[in-house]
This record gives sequence, C-alpha cells and structure tokens, in this order.
Amino acid sequence: QVQLQESGPGLVKPSETLSLTCTVSGGSISYYYWNWIRQPAGKGLEWIGRVSTSGNTNCNPSLQSRVTMSVDTSKNQFSLKLSSVTAADTAVYYCARDEAVAGPDRFDYWGQGMLVTVSS
Amino acid sequence: DIEMTQSPSTLSASVGDRVTITCRASQSISSWLAWYQQKPGKAPKLLIYEASRLESGVPSRFSGSGSGTEFTLTISSLQPDDFATYYCQDYSSSSMCSFGQGTKLEIK
Repeated sequence: QVQLQESGPGLVKPSETLSLTCTVSGGSISYYYWNWIRQPAGKGLEWIGRVSTSGNTNCNPSLQSRVTMSVDTSKNQFSLKLSSVTAADTAVYYCARDEAVAGPDRFDYWGQGMLVTVSS
Repeated sequence: DIEMTQSPSTLSASVGDRVTITCRASQSISSWLAWYQQKPGKAPKLLIYEASRLESGVPSRFSGSGSGTEFTLTISSLQPDDFATYYCQDYSSSSMCSFGQGTKLEIK
C-alpha cells in the first residue's frame, strides 16, 4: 500500500522560505506525478503544483513565481519550496499522487497533512 | 481559469436520507471531474473520478453523474460515517486543476 508522509518545519518566519518534503513508501516514485495541495484552516483546497521524476512540473499560476519543486528518486522523496511567505501561506500542506502525464489528474493517494504556520 | 461552484455550502440530512450535491463548472470540462470526502483533521479521500467512476473500495451508495458543466454526487442512503465535507475537483486542463469550495454534510 502506497503511503505518503510530509515533513519539515512547522513554523516559518514571514519573508522566509517554507520547505517541505514528502516521503513515498510502499511503491516506486517513478512513473507518477507528485503534487502539493494546501488548505488554510476552515477553508477549501488549493492545488499548488506537481512534479515528475523526469523533472516536468506544472504550477498554480497564482503561486508560480514563489514555488520550486524537485524529486529525489534515491530517497523516494519529493520537495516543495515556497519563498517569501506571509501569514496567508499558513495552512495544512498535503502531498498527493496522480498518474496522468498530460496534466493534473485525480489524486488517489494523499499524505496525512502537515500544518505550517507563518509567524514571527 | 475554470471556476468550480458547489451547492449547497451546507446540507443537513438524516441517516437513511438520499442526498445530492451539485458542482458547476464555469466552462465545459467534459467528464474530467472527481469527488472527495474529507473528515476533520484528515486528508481528502477520492470517491469518484471521471464524473461517474467509483474508486476502488468506495461503497456503492456513492454515485456521480454529469458532464460538461453540471455534475452531481449522490449518496443513496446516508450512513453515520458519511457526515463530512465533500469537494469536487476539475482536472480538465493540461496545466492546472481546481477545487470547489466544499459542501459540509451535517446531521439534522
């Protein structure tokens, strides 16, 4: 059974860079696309972007200028960096898997989510 | 950008009821729509994809229909475990996807 687990600092200062890692277990990281999705407290879901092991990426235009994503196949991990954070970036961050090459698809496996708070 | 609008925002119902949640897209998305269930403190769970295909392991009381711009999620007979928030997701684009704002299903 594929499992995903987010990790990283739970507290980030304003203007700094949020860095999260998602570790994939129970299956290969290859041949899939790996996504980041966030959810502010009490609000809906916002797709951040996706990355493949071949380095292809898609990103939400509203966040594109601040987002960097990468994959480390040797560790079965993928990562998100979000720069110049503000309080508006405080949210639960989820990692999730999709299968489609052509573009974002349905998300069949999700991590449990990790709360990241932006505060000084 | 395609906007997804769900209705209602909140729905009160009883165990055994048949309930329907609607999701409308601002332009045609063919059948590239998924439905998720989310419980407090948990990650969303995929229920339906391609508008009407049931994800493996999801009870058959859940069903989806629609195409183009209007879609529905129906729960045929509500069970206690079904009280949660439901989201639709458009994945018709080659570069972007978006979610509806959510429908909270509450116990009447």
